[in-house]
Amino acid sequence: GQNIDQPTEMTATEGAIVQINCTYQTSGFNGLFWYQQHAGEAPTFLSYNVLDGLEEKGRFSSFLSRSKGYSYLLLKELQMKDSASYLCAVSDSNYQLIWGAGTKLIIKP
Amino acid sequence: GAVVSQHPSRVICKSGTSVKIECRSLDFQATTMFWYRQFPKQSLMLMATSNEGSKATYEQGVEKDKFLINHASLTLSTLTVTSAHPEDSSFYICSARELAGDVYEQYFGPGTRLTVT
Repeated sequence: GQNIDQPTEMTATEGAIVQINCTYQTSGFNGLFWYQQHAGEAPTFLSYNVLDGLEEKGRFSSFLSRSKGYSYLLLKELQMKDSASYLCAVSDSNYQLIWGAGTKLIIKP
Repeated sequence: GAVVSQHPSRVICKSGTSVKIECRSLDFQATTMFWYRQFPKQSLMLMATSNEGSKATYEQGVEKDKFLINHASLTLSTLTVTSAHPEDSSFYICSARELAGDVYEQYFGPGTRLTVT
């Protein structure tokens, strides 16, 4: 079966760095996405990785290792507005998105 | 970036009535649109995939006669919840896919909060 695993909840301090991990087992792979979702809102796109390595976008970076079926989202210089759920999703062989359950990130002052 | 709109953003209806939700890709043509449902504190659940001009493909456990999907054009898909019941109350999100070079980009609408009383 297809499976995406990520931690349910994480807590971090404002100004710090946090890494949210995602492991996956899917039928085929056409890229991995990270989305941010604030409560009551639709997800917004953060990053896309299809090749191994690190993609950096401002305070957010995303890493992929296809051989390990592993990705992480790194958030630096955390701000209170970063409190949200972070969803990992993998595009499978049919280009369907398989979703993780999401990681709720709580930022404390 | 590409924009997907949804209407209405919120709707309250009585049990037994039907509700239609529209999803539009505003500045691109979407050959494929997806409908998701999200219950509180849960991840997105794919309900169905629709390709323009053909019947939608429903995920296991989703009643196709209850959730009617029409993808009449490359920029519009509608989801009709027929004979709604309180357990259908949820957050419904549509998504539209665009081929950008060699990559499929998927954009989300803002969602529709459905409450059935």
